[in-house]
Amino acid sequence: QKEVEQNSGPLSVPEGAIASLNCTYSDRVSQSFFWYRQYSGKSPELIMSIYSNGDKEDGRFTAQLNKASQYVSLLIRDSQPSDSATYLCAVMEAAGNKLTFGGGTRVLVKP
Amino acid sequence: DVKVTQSSRYLVKRTGEKVFLECVQDMDHENMFWYRQDPGLGLRLIYFSYDVKMKEKGDIPEGYSVSREKKERFSLILESASTNQTSMYLCASSFLFEQYFGPGTRLTVT
Repeated sequence: QKEVEQNSGPLSVPEGAIASLNCTYSDRVSQSFFWYRQYSGKSPELIMSIYSNGDKEDGRFTAQLNKASQYVSLLIRDSQPSDSATYLCAVMEAAGNKLTFGGGTRVLVKP
Repeated sequence: DVKVTQSSRYLVKRTGEKVFLECVQDMDHENMFWYRQDPGLGLRLIYFSYDVKMKEKGDIPEGYSVSREKKERFSLILESASTNQTSMYLCASSFLFEQYFGPGTRLTVT
């Protein structure tokens, strides 16, 4: 059973600080990784995808991938109250289009 | 922008009823997916389809079936709804790897 693990939180962050979220996965041959943001009562929204080792930046978001250690992380810089949400890590299996989701990390940004 | 729509935001059905959940995408995507999301259990894949009339079971297909007669439309069918199928149902579509979700249908079976 392929697994994707996240700390459920809540991760409490002061406004303007950096929120750091981590995700580990069990399938060593996975190649594609995604971060989704989900507001309460809403559906997941894709915010980042990363396919190769290293960092990928998009606005205030940075995704980091380390395939050797089987972890992917998400940094949110200059956190805003509107960033308060649950962040889901998703890993695509090597063969096919199926995603396995982690349980999500709840982030609370306090003004 | 990718647009995935679902037929209802909220639905209440009785035990034993046949339930149809519809999903439509407007981006000519090959792949479409049905998930359910429950507190403490996360997002779980029910079925997916990679082409018209093609389908594959996900992790929890029991009690569900699907239909894909047209590329843009993917239907989830609960043949005989049960209370343990009360959940948030999410449809998604993808072209290559990135999946985009619809707004979800919150189904309550009483």
